[in-house]
Amino acid sequence: LAKTTQPISMDSYEGQEVNITCSHNNIATNDYITWYQQFPSQGPRFIIQGYKTKVTNEVASLFIPADRKSSTLSLPRVSLSDTAVYYCLVGDTYSGAGSYQLTFGKGTKLSVIP
Amino acid sequence: GAGVSQSPRYKVAKRGQDVALRCDPISGHVSLFWYQQALGQGPEFLTYFQNEAQLDKSGLPSDRFFAERPEGSVSTLKIQRTQQEDSAVYLCASSFEGGSSPLHFGNGTRLTVT
Repeated sequence: LAKTTQPISMDSYEGQEVNITCSHNNIATNDYITWYQQFPSQGPRFIIQGYKTKVTNEVASLFIPADRKSSTLSLPRVSLSDTAVYYCLVGDTYSGAGSYQLTFGKGTKLSVIP
Repeated sequence: GAGVSQSPRYKVAKRGQDVALRCDPISGHVSLFWYQQALGQGPEFLTYFQNEAQLDKSGLPSDRFFAERPEGSVSTLKIQRTQQEDSAVYLCASSFEGGSSPLHFGNGTRLTVT
């Protein structure tokens, strides 16, 4: 199972761009990289997913280098409502290896300051 | 359409009692996951279903934990003879298929064992 490493916490001012990097050195060929956001007392919410290069949607961008051993979630112009825990997941339930775990790490607690 | 629904939202049990936690996934979603989240930690994988088949239960912490999804839709997580260390939020997630499909989480059941 590919394990992930993220910073425990980050602070940012409103309006700034925030980049959160996740390391996943033993990512497998079939693994996708998915980021989730979690607010207190709620379940995690899907933000973005990618396999390689760059993916962009209406809320974030995901940058994945060629070796796929890391990925960076980019949140443009954060607001106070972006204060949450962000999780990077690496995995694929079709791995065929008999394990269907999609493993969350400890996540990155982002605090946006006014 | 409705998201993933979990009930009850809160459950208080006395040590030694049995509890049953319900998950209603999004209609048509093949895959269903249960996670346990302790305070301040990321979600920990418990078990995975593909339709009615439980394909991975490697994360269940003891034989007191049992999960089922008999008709491939609603799932129940049962904990027998609850212990204080079982106190946590139990999250259910579903996805259209495994692999790259994003997980859709419910807001969890907060179990407190006294």
